[in-house]
Amino acid sequence: DVVMTQSPLSLPVTLGQPASISCRSSQGLVHSDGNTYLNWFQQRPGHSPRRLISKVSNRDSGVPDRFSGSGSGTDFTLKISRVEAEDVGLYYCMQSTHWLYTFGQGTKLEIK
Amino acid sequence: QVQLVESGGGLVKPGGSLRLSCAASGFIFSDYYMSWIRQAPGKGLEWVSYIGSGGSPMDYVDSVKGRFTISRDNAMNSLYLQMNSLRAEDTAVYYCARGGRRSVDSWGQGTLVTVSS
Repeated sequence: DVVMTQSPLSLPVTLGQPASISCRSSQGLVHSDGNTYLNWFQQRPGHSPRRLISKVSNRDSGVPDRFSGSGSGTDFTLKISRVEAEDVGLYYCMQSTHWLYTFGQGTKLEIK
Repeated sequence: QVQLVESGGGLVKPGGSLRLSCAASGFIFSDYYMSWIRQAPGKGLEWVSYIGSGGSPMDYVDSVKGRFTISRDNAMNSLYLQMNSLRAEDTAVYYCARGGRRSVDSWGQGTLVTVSS
């Protein structure tokens, strides 16, 4: 199975400051169809996960543009340009190129 | 809008069975792959199973193969997960999610399954 490794696991951030989460996969995530199926999910406390980004950098409808995704191969990054209070929660990367689809351990974003 | 409502969770003894259901609305259910994803208490997310839009293909995480069966009824806009021979390590919130071929884009609120004597 593809192992997804996130860092950091805990991310204290001051309101209005940027934040960055790294995700590394144990195998390349380029599918035979040419796409890279790397997703980012947000899970606010007490809520179900919500997809933020698919295929590395495609933001879902309704996701603020302060969220952006980048990367290629085995190294990917989720960036928040200016953290707001509503961004508190857990963030997961997930690969859906190779079955069994796998998630990272999660990064807990909190306000400093 | 997309709504996914799970039901059927509860407390069950080791070795017991449960059947989870997911009622879907707000989209054309028969057009989409569907999945079950679980989250053990205080832990991360684990994909359990997916099923194709017409009932195939399907696949499972190794730890549930032979014990869990995913199915769907497109006429009823419903997804199911039959769970047999339950173990303590199956204790988790089980989420129904839309998608399963390349990603999921909507999640239900989850239903808690607790396996304990």
